[in-house]
Amino acid sequence: EVQLVESGGGLVNPGGSLRLSCAASGLTFSNAWMSWVRQAPGKGLEWVGRIKSKADGGTADYAAPVKGRFTISRDDSKNTLYLQMNSLRTEDTAVYYCTTFAPGYGWFWGQGTLVTVSS
Amino acid sequence: EIVMTQSPATLSVSPGERATLSCRASQSFSSTLAWYQQKPGQAPRLLIYGASTRATGIPARFSGSGSGTEFTLTISSLQSEDFAVYYCQHYNHWPYTFGQGTKLEVK
Repeated sequence: EVQLVESGGGLVNPGGSLRLSCAASGLTFSNAWMSWVRQAPGKGLEWVGRIKSKADGGTADYAAPVKGRFTISRDDSKNTLYLQMNSLRTEDTAVYYCTTFAPGYGWFWGQGTLVTVSS
Repeated sequence: EIVMTQSPATLSVSPGERATLSCRASQSFSSTLAWYQQKPGQAPRLLIYGASTRATGIPARFSGSGSGTEFTLTISSLQSEDFAVYYCQHYNHWPYTFGQGTKLEVK
């Protein structure tokens, strides 16, 4: 069974940085395209970005609100996805989920980690 | 960017009745559409992917249909545990986008 476990959330000051991790199991991680999705308190779901598998180029794409501030990376040797968040703003406060699509099974999601940007 | 518009924003239905939720896309695509259920404090739960394929463990009362720009989630006979917020999501090409959600409440 696919399991995704996020970690690294917490309270950070505006302008600060934070790195989230997503540990994956139950799938061939190196072949998976991985994504981050966030949800601000009381709001809907918003894609943050995705990273392709290295076999498909390994490149990352970002949503406009985070482009230039957030960086998605992966360590296939550790089956782990990362989200480096810099220049954080109060509007980045949200629960951050990692997610991946498995053909024949659909989308798998983690339980999320809360990031609070506040002074 | 494909804009996904869900309607209605809130749907009031009695237990045992049928609920029909709509999702309209600003551009046409075939079947790269998913539906989720979300309850407070929980991660989204995948119901449907590929527009009409039920995810593992999802009861048969949930069904998805549609293609092009019009998609529908139908819940045939509402159970108490079905009252929640529902989101549609396309994954045809980047950027993937979600609808704004439909809140399904007890009438």
